[in-house]
Amino acid sequence: DVVMTQSPESLAVSLGERATINCKSSQSVIHGANNKNYLAWYQQKPGQPPKLLISWASTRESGVPDRFSGSGSGTDFTLTISSLQAEDVAVYYCQQYYLTPPYTFGQGTKLEIK
Amino acid sequence: QVLLEQSGAEVKKPGASVRVSCKASGYTFTNYYLHWVRQARGQGLEWVGRINPKNGGTSFAQRFQGRLSMTRDTSTSTVYMELRTLSSDDTAIFYCARDSSGSNDYFFDYWGQGTQVTVSS
Repeated sequence: DVVMTQSPESLAVSLGERATINCKSSQSVIHGANNKNYLAWYQQKPGQPPKLLISWASTRESGVPDRFSGSGSGTDFTLTISSLQAEDVAVYYCQQYYLTPPYTFGQGTKLEIK
Repeated sequence: QVLLEQSGAEVKKPGASVRVSCKASGYTFTNYYLHWVRQARGQGLEWVGRINPKNGGTSFAQRFQGRLSMTRDTSTSTVYMELRTLSSDDTAIFYCARDSSGSNDYFFDYWGQGTQVTVSS
């Protein structure tokens, strides 16, 4: 199984500052035939189901604010929130969907306000 | 709009079985895979399995093999997950989630509200 490792486990950032979350996969999740990275990011707020933010490592879902961006390729990926807002407090998960089954998620990164 | 509506909370005794339903609306039910994801209290997300509503084909995480089944009812656009031989380790919220694809295993674009399953003697 592909192991997804996120860092840090928790993060406290001041409002308006940048937040960066990393995700590393134990195997490459880039498909050689189409050169796409099969990596998604989800946001989960307390008491709610996860919400898809980004697919294909860098494609933002419709309605997701543009302060959220995804980058990386192969085994190393980053979710960046350029200017943290209060409503961004949540747990963030990365997920690979290249080598399935099983789908595997990172352990989550808890983002708080400093 | 796409909506996945799950059945209500369940309390079961160890060794029992639980069946959770997920009713889909707002799209063509047979065009997209549906997955189940488990989340224990304060823990991360764990993929449980998925069903192809078109033909009923399933794929399960290895750790659930032998005690998990998934079925669907195309007349009501509902999928069912049944987990047998429950233990306290199965206490968790179970989410259904739609795959963004109907022919490949991709990311999950819509999620149900979750169903709390509690296993306690």
